[in-house]
Amino acid sequence: DVQLLESGGGVVQPGGSLRLSCAASGLTFDTYAMNWVRQAPGKGLEWVSAISGSGDATYYVDSVKGRFTISRDNSKNTLYLQMNSLRAEDTALYYCAKDLSSGGGRYFDLWGRGTLVSVSS
Amino acid sequence: DIQMTQSPSTLSASVGDRVTITCRASQSITSWLAWYQQKPGKAPKPLIYDASRLETGVPSRFSGSGFGTEFTLTISSLQPDDFATYYCQQYNTYWTFGQGTKVEIK
Repeated sequence: DVQLLESGGGVVQPGGSLRLSCAASGLTFDTYAMNWVRQAPGKGLEWVSAISGSGDATYYVDSVKGRFTISRDNSKNTLYLQMNSLRAEDTALYYCAKDLSSGGGRYFDLWGRGTLVSVSS
Repeated sequence: DIQMTQSPSTLSASVGDRVTITCRASQSITSWLAWYQQKPGKAPKPLIYDASRLETGVPSRFSGSGFGTEFTLTISSLQPDDFATYYCQQYNTYWTFGQGTKVEIK
């Protein structure tokens, strides 16, 4: 089965760090751009970051630029999101989502179940 | 940044009703628009891409239309499984979602 499985969420204090992972299976991972999308409790969806299939192009929403870093290890079929200087407003369920194409810029045709990040003192 | 505005925010309907949700973009996105369905506790599920193309496995009662800045998602005959929240997403310039439309039982 083709699937994405996120991990690494948890409770962290404001200013702290967390690294999320997304393990892909059943697909040729390096063929596709990947994304992180978050959903605050009871709220809508917000795209956070994207990375090309090769990993040489990355993109971020303005609110996380300079704090979050997206990366991937194609030898391990795994996507990462390093989150530093976390704020209360980063509290959300973080989804890993696959882009239809290698370069990105298309819609998201496969989603994981999400991992919950809670930033609280 | 491209803003996406959905209407209505909530829609009350009955099984068998024809339902239409509108999504407006703050600038032209040509046909680079997708629609997703999300149920409580679940990940979003793609329904429509490129404004009007049906994702594989999605029932034909779902359809999408529009070009430029105005788009619609139509459910021709609402089924019990369709009560959910629906989001539009532009992918013309980066990615932006609408705020969502909750379809609830009347």
